[in-house]
Amino acid sequence: EAQVTQNPRYLITVTGKKLTVTCSQNMNHEYMSWYRQDPGLGLRQIYYSMNVEVTDKGDVPEGYKVSRKEKRNFPLILESPSPNQTSLYFCASSQTGLYTEAFFGQGTRLTVV
Amino acid sequence: GQQVMQIPQYQHVQEGEDFTTYCNSSTTLSNIQWYKQRPGGHPVFLIQLVKSGEVKKQKRLTFQFGEAKKNSSLHITATQTTDVGTYFCAGHDYKLSFGAGTTVTVRA
Repeated sequence: EAQVTQNPRYLITVTGKKLTVTCSQNMNHEYMSWYRQDPGLGLRQIYYSMNVEVTDKGDVPEGYKVSRKEKRNFPLILESPSPNQTSLYFCASSQTGLYTEAFFGQGTRLTVV
Repeated sequence: GQQVMQIPQYQHVQEGEDFTTYCNSSTTLSNIQWYKQRPGGHPVFLIQLVKSGEVKKQKRLTFQFGEAKKNSSLHITATQTTDVGTYFCAGHDYKLSFGAGTTVTVRA
């Protein structure tokens, strides 16, 4: 089954404790991205990757890091989480960045206290 | 930079009624996509529009891309409880930018 898998689904952590949210897709997609969803703000792109070892900032990259060492995986790293990073996070992949539909993971609800 | 705006933010609809949600971009778009997110779920792709003035239908949903490729609309006829959720438009110029979404609730 074609899918994008995120882990964990829910996470509560404390300020400053590094964490990683994993994302994996099994569709051999080139393009992957991370979004955060906050009430009234829709989906805002954090980082995206057009292929292995190619990543770039989205609209809200501050406080986040990503890596793309393999085509299927695109982890999101919060080196020092802060309460304003409490949000619902989605990973998405698509065949290419343009003209192809995005497939979203199930989401990760992160709370930073 | 590119901004995609959606209105209204909330739409409360009586079951059986029609409604329309609108999407406007500050720049000309290469294409526009629409997604639906059910409560507690993740966004799911509905459709893509590429051509100026394009109109596509999916059962009770009608999607339109403006002539100038800077706006789009989604019209739902005879709303059902299964239409509940948040509808996002997403526009491409050099990257995919999502609007804030229209959250639809339905009164039975």
